[in-house]
Amino acid sequence: DAGVTQSPTHLIKTRGQHVTLRCSPISGHKSVSWYQQVLGQGPQFIFQYYEKEERGRGNFPDRFSARQFPNYSSELNVNALLLGDSALYLCASSPLRTDLGETQYFGPGTRLLVL
Amino acid sequence: GENVEQHPSTLSVQEGDSAVIKCTYSDSASNYFPWYKQELGKGPQLIIDIRSNVGEKKDQRIAVTLNKTAKHFSLHITETQPEDSAVYFCAASPGDAGNMLTFGGGTRLMVKP
Repeated sequence: DAGVTQSPTHLIKTRGQHVTLRCSPISGHKSVSWYQQVLGQGPQFIFQYYEKEERGRGNFPDRFSARQFPNYSSELNVNALLLGDSALYLCASSPLRTDLGETQYFGPGTRLLVL
Repeated sequence: GENVEQHPSTLSVQEGDSAVIKCTYSDSASNYFPWYKQELGKGPQLIIDIRSNVGEKKDQRIAVTLNKTAKHFSLHITETQPEDSAVYFCAASPGDAGNMLTFGGGTRLMVKP
């Protein structure tokens, strides 16, 4: 089975531009989460979507937004890019929500460089 | 919110030795604790996880222990091999609505042949 896929793999943008990152979850998974990983640090939670609804939001500015489509794929949008947005953006999928934590499987990420 | 601290930040061992990585968390509501291995240029790969209803879990050379009273959990790798070299992250999740993972800062493990 295919794992989580993300596109593009690499991206270079300039300050002030907008970027859209895409994620396809593992087949059958209904939940998608987005994380930002700055070089040398652990991933930081941005959003979680389940059944096309936002179920969680991390401490990120409104320049960050996301959505989930009927086929459970997802987009992460970042407006007015800043140099500090340069990072590896990770998408993770999980099958169901449970009360005892849900295993999340990560994709390879999109590396964004803002110049 | 949750805060996860991870130690050490770097760990160098000889092939065949054991490696131990420790994490502490702050939110007593956390009940799910996964460990991820991240190799250069790749996304994190789940290697083992533990839930709050068990104290220890083992999978071949890898084991994880959880002490909910002290709010800490540890990863143990025995008989280390050069291919174990990578960055390891612990994480904690409340497992409720949102189910977000809070990650530690990572441990760079180097296994010397």
